[in-house]
Amino acid sequence: SQQGEEDPQALSIQEGENATMNCSYKTSINNLQWYRQNSGRGLVHLILIRSNEREKHSGRLRVTLDTSKKSSSLLITASRAADTASYFCATDASGTGNQFYFGTGTSLTVIP
Amino acid sequence: DTEVTQTPKHLVMGMTNKKSLKCEQHMGHRAMYWYKQKAKKPPELMFVYSYEKLSINESVPSRFSPECPNSSLLNLHLHALQPEDSALYLCASSYLTGEDTQYFGPGTRLTVL
Repeated sequence: SQQGEEDPQALSIQEGENATMNCSYKTSINNLQWYRQNSGRGLVHLILIRSNEREKHSGRLRVTLDTSKKSSSLLITASRAADTASYFCATDASGTGNQFYFGTGTSLTVIP
Repeated sequence: DTEVTQTPKHLVMGMTNKKSLKCEQHMGHRAMYWYKQKAKKPPELMFVYSYEKLSINESVPSRFSPECPNSSLLNLHLHALQPEDSALYLCASSYLTGEDTQYFGPGTRLTVL
């Protein structure tokens, strides 16, 4: 399986704190994406980082990518209760074209 | 329109029933996907359609039968399912395959009795 591993599995923080989640994957990639899922709902795309990029920002989100370590991190700054959700990284393995694999996910709870 | 719609939202079926899940997008995307997601697990890829042709079948049992009638529609026909097939079924689409952002529908919650 090319599924990535995420840690922590679960994270609970106070509103206003920063949340960091990590993703490790197994094979070479073209890009890595982060998605968010509210309980029992569809996934929402957050940010895409390409294999030749090291860092990317979008609002309160900061993503880093280290292809030598096959790892990525997602930082959410100044968290809000509305950020409570599951967060998944997803990778496409280079050369496979169509196949898109999700990591195991981090469940984030932001306490008001 | 940046939305992927799925119907029905919920479906309860017996093991002998035949039912279909539907997915629709009007974003001009040429790739569409079916995923299966069990509780507290990540989505698992089932099928990929590219330009209305099945390009990936992740060894899914034949009781799941996908169909892509046109570039905007994707169906998943269900027959003789097992209780362990109960899950959230997610549809997604992207402009092209592989490297593009996937847009997900809200899913169909399937329960097999």
